[in-house]
Amino acid sequence: QVQLQESGPGLVKPSETLSLTCTVSGGSISTYYWNWIRQPPGKGLEWIGYIYYRGYTNYNPSLKSRLTMSVDTSRNEFSLKLSSVTAADTAVYYCARADDGSGFAYWGQGILVTVSS
Amino acid sequence: SYELTQPPSVSVSPGQTARITCSGDALPKQSAYWYHQKAGQAPVLLIYQDTERPSGIPDRFSGSSSGTTVTLTISGVQAEDEADYYCQSADNSGTWVFGGGTKLTVL
Repeated sequence: QVQLQESGPGLVKPSETLSLTCTVSGGSISTYYWNWIRQPPGKGLEWIGYIYYRGYTNYNPSLKSRLTMSVDTSRNEFSLKLSSVTAADTAVYYCARADDGSGFAYWGQGILVTVSS
Repeated sequence: SYELTQPPSVSVSPGQTARITCSGDALPKQSAYWYHQKAGQAPVLLIYQDTERPSGIPDRFSGSSSGTTVTLTISGVQAEDEADYYCQSADNSGTWVFGGGTKLTVL
C-alpha cells in the first residue's frame, strides 16, 4: 500500500523559506504526479502544485513566484520550498499522489506549519 | 482565477439522500473529482472522472454531471457521512482547483 509522509519544521519565521519533504513508501516515485495541497486552519483546500517524476512542474499561478518543487527518485521523495512566507501561509500542508485522470488517490497525514516570529 | 462553487452547507436526516452540487464553467470539458474530509483527517477520494468510484468506496456514493454542474449524491446517509465535502477539477489551462467545500450535517 502506497504511503506518503510529510516532514519539516512546524514553525517558520515571516519572510523566511518554508521547506517540506514528502517521503513515499510502498511504491516507486518514478511515475505519477506528486502534489502539495494546503489547508489554512478552519478553511478549505488549496492546490499548491505538482511535480512529475521527470521534473516537469505545474504550479498554482497565485503562488508560482515563490514556489520551487523538486524530486529525488533515488530517495523516493519530493520537496516543496515556499519563499517569503507570511502569516497567510500558515496551514496544514499535505502531499498527495495524483494518477492521470484518477484524482488524488493517496494523501499524507498532513503537517501543520505555522508562520510566526 | 477559476472557481468551483459549492453550497457551504447541506443538512439531511439519516437514511435520506443528500445531494451536493459543484458549478464551474470548465466542467463540461474537465473531469471532476469528489473528496470527503472528516475532522482532523486527510481528505479521501470518493469519485473520479465525474462518475467513477474507487475500490473500497461504498456504492451509496455516486457522481453525475450535467453541463457546468456536477453533483455528488449520497444515498441512505449515515451518521458517519458527516464531513466536509470538496469537489476538484481543472481550468482549461491545466491549473487544478478545489471548490470551497460543503459541510454535510446529519441531523
